[in-house]
Amino acid sequence: NAGVTQTPKFRILKIGQSMTLQCTQDMNHNYMYWYRQDPGMGLKLIYYSVGAGITDKGEVPNGYNVSRSTTEDFPLRLELAAPSQTSVYFCASSYSGAAETYNEQFFGPGTRLTVL
Amino acid sequence: GEDVEQSLFLSVREGDSSVINCTYTDSSSTYLYWYKQEPGAGLQLLTYIFSNMDMKQDQRLTVLLNKKDKHLSLRIADTQTGDSAIYFCAEEGGSGGYNKLIFGAGTRLAVHP
Repeated sequence: NAGVTQTPKFRILKIGQSMTLQCTQDMNHNYMYWYRQDPGMGLKLIYYSVGAGITDKGEVPNGYNVSRSTTEDFPLRLELAAPSQTSVYFCASSYSGAAETYNEQFFGPGTRLTVL
Repeated sequence: GEDVEQSLFLSVREGDSSVINCTYTDSSSTYLYWYKQEPGAGLQLLTYIFSNMDMKQDQRLTVLLNKKDKHLSLRIADTQTGDSAIYFCAEEGGSGGYNKLIFGAGTRLAVHP
């Protein structure tokens, strides 16, 4: 299994541009997540999905959109990129995300995004 | 609110023990986790502990949990250069039946000869 894959690895955007960060998992996990990691900070949850067709906001959803048309794919869309969105973005998946259950999340290698 | 705090840096000599500490706020967390991030990579689960346990040992790793003080620690025995990485503590949080993870800022462990 490839696990969780993300593309691209690096990207530089100009202010106001848009882009989609791709995420795919081949473990048949129901739960998928998008995080951003800023220097010296923990991971912040942007959006998550509990299954195909179902998505919900995390802590920092503003400026982002997601969709989940299949179990495998969970793309993150940035509209009108801003310098505040400069960060490293991680996609993750887990078999279960229900409360009080063991929740091992599997992470992709990340996308380093710079907005200038 | 939910918060997880860790010190940002730890430097140890190869062969010594490393102890990484974490404090959390959500006393209802059923599991607490330690994730490891190597340079240029995503996070990977290192170990976890169930909340009704005080200690868990897994080879060179020992996790201690003090629920009263909401304190979690990770001890790495015989630390090697390959242990150099960022270590994240995570607690569970969330509502509505969904279990999200709240991560600390990460402790960067540097192992020197």
